[in-house]
Amino acid sequence: ILNVEQSPQSLHVQEGDSTNFTCSFPSSNFYALHWYRWETAKSPEALFVMTLNGDEKKKGRISATLNTKEGYSYLYIKGSQPEDSATYLCAFINGDDKIIFGKGTRLHILP
Amino acid sequence: GAVVSQHPSRVICKSGTSVKIECRSLDFQATTMFWYRQFPKQSLMLMATSNEGSKATYEQGVEKDKFLINHASLTLSTLTVTSAHPEDSSFYICSAIYGQGYDTQYFGPGTRLTVL
Repeated sequence: ILNVEQSPQSLHVQEGDSTNFTCSFPSSNFYALHWYRWETAKSPEALFVMTLNGDEKKKGRISATLNTKEGYSYLYIKGSQPEDSATYLCAFINGDDKIIFGKGTRLHILP
Repeated sequence: GAVVSQHPSRVICKSGTSVKIECRSLDFQATTMFWYRQFPKQSLMLMATSNEGSKATYEQGVEKDKFLINHASLTLSTLTVTSAHPEDSSFYICSAIYGQGYDTQYFGPGTRLTVL
């Protein structure tokens, strides 16, 4: 059974603080790992597509790393802002075209 | 760019009726569209993958006669929940990609289906 775990499930962070959370996925038959941000009442929005072990990607204050050998990816947010409040989803795609999403990390930024 | 719309956003129907959900890529041609279902506090579960002009590929455990998918053009895919029952009540969301492989998915806003 292919399993993708995200932790923590929920996170409260003070505005201005930095934070990070994890996506764990199977370490075999890896093809790609995607991160999405999903704000309430909106469509999930793509953040990163990561394919190579050791990949580091950055978009503004948000960055992500990838370790395919041990099966995890970290998402970092630097200097959290209220607009960062959302659910962050990761999706693991394997070499057999299976797409498995995690349950998401729900991030709340406290003013 | 890369906007996907989904209609309706919310639907309530009686048990036994059929419900059609439309997914449209508004500013690009989608080579592939995906349909997901999400139950409360669960992850997005892929139901099926559809390519324009060909039959959809359903995930294990998803009844193809129950969830009819039509991908008639490069910008439109429809999901019809036939003879809906209360257990089909869920959040259904589509996504689309352009290009090859499993690149960035562009999601619609989703449809909340409630079957009475």
